[in-house]
Amino acid sequence: DQQVKQNSPSLSVQEGRISILNCDYTNSMFDYFLWYKKYPAEGPTFLISISSIKDKNEDGRFTVFLNKSAKHLSLHIVPSQPGDSAVYFCAALGTYKYIFGTGTRLKVLA
Amino acid sequence: ETGVTQSPTHLIKTRGQQVTLRCSSQSGHNTVSWYQQALGQGPQFIFQYYREEENGRGNFPPRFSGLQFPNYSSELNVNALELDDSALYLCASSLTGTSGGAWETQYFGPGTRLLVL
Repeated sequence: DQQVKQNSPSLSVQEGRISILNCDYTNSMFDYFLWYKKYPAEGPTFLISISSIKDKNEDGRFTVFLNKSAKHLSLHIVPSQPGDSAVYFCAALGTYKYIFGTGTRLKVLA
Repeated sequence: ETGVTQSPTHLIKTRGQQVTLRCSSQSGHNTVSWYQQALGQGPQFIFQYYREEENGRGNFPPRFSGLQFPNYSSELNVNALELDDSALYLCASSLTGTSGGAWETQYFGPGTRLLVL
């Protein structure tokens, strides 16, 4: 049973445009969410997080939105850059562990 | 760079063998978590160690075991290797405060890629 879902395995965006990556979860008890970026041959790198008491958190070009009623979060990257090309994982914090989605491969075209 | 290191980077074993993977945590971190990432999947939680004790476990059989040392480095041991154990193994370190660790961000190492033939 996949508690955290990323339904888009891949996304292509032109450089300078907005990238929107989506994530859905099923467990309403999750109260902390994170986005990680992963390049080939490297471990996931923490990008941004949000707690359930907020609906938005912004850090530079990255903004995470949380819609608790829809059990949905999204990561917006504006403007997208070629260096943003990577696999993006959303994760929800369970009791003591992270539960990851399957990832979305973002390709930013120059 | 997170300061979390793992060794070896790659490993090839045969079915039935045993393997030990190592992780050195980021300085000051007292908690280490291990994940298995199969091809095309997200990382799956194996277990977590805090102050040298197992602090939680995912849906993995007992042949997956671990250790955490006083310097907070850690090992993942897998006995009786199976073909399906072929994956990227990630460790992540974090800092758990005295009040509990619900909010700490985990920082990942580069992983060890294990191939079981």
